[in-house]
Amino acid sequence: DIAITQSPSSVAVSVGETVTLSCKSSQSLLYSENNKDYLGWYQQKPGQTPKPLIYWATNRHTGVPDRFTGSGSGTDFTLIISSVQAEDLADYYCEQYFVYPLTFGSGTKLEIK
Amino acid sequence: QVTLKESGPGILQPSQTLSLTCTFSGFSLSTYGMGVGWIRQPSGKGLEWLANIWWDDDKYYNPSLKNRLTISKDTSNNQAFLKITNVDTADTATYYCALGGNYFDYWGQGVMVTVSS
Repeated sequence: DIAITQSPSSVAVSVGETVTLSCKSSQSLLYSENNKDYLGWYQQKPGQTPKPLIYWATNRHTGVPDRFTGSGSGTDFTLIISSVQAEDLADYYCEQYFVYPLTFGSGTKLEIK
Repeated sequence: QVTLKESGPGILQPSQTLSLTCTFSGFSLSTYGMGVGWIRQPSGKGLEWLANIWWDDDKYYNPSLKNRLTISKDTSNNQAFLKITNVDTADTATYYCALGGNYFDYWGQGVMVTVSS
């Protein structure tokens, strides 16, 4: 199975700051045939259902604000949230869909100072 | 508009079989490329993928649950199903169904399932 490690487990930032969340895979998620990284990000606000944010490592899901940016390739990925808003308080999960079984990271909890 | 809604028993006893139903609209599981997955989340914990079923009836399971899982679909009624046999307290969680065979674009609201004697 591919192991996904997210860090930090929690982070607290002030409104307006930028935060970087890390997601590392135990194997490369880059498929050479199509040059795509099979990595996605989800946001789960307290008491809510997970919401898709980013797919193919860098593509924003429909309606996701452009302050959310996915980057990285291979085994190392990041989610950058620029100008954090109070509404961004949530848990953030990355998921690899390169191979079954699909696996999620343990999540990063974003808190607002 | 895509919607998914899970339904289940709410509470069941250890060793029983958990049967979950996902009723969806806005897409068809008979359409090429479509898939539905099941994911669960114990309270306060992370997400665990359980199983996927594709439009061509291809199925994938999380081997960590060994042979306890069975996923199926009823395309005429726009439903997908998941059965988990021999449940125990570790299966207590919120269960989600979601559109997508790998990356999940749309999620249901989830159904809470408690296993307790």
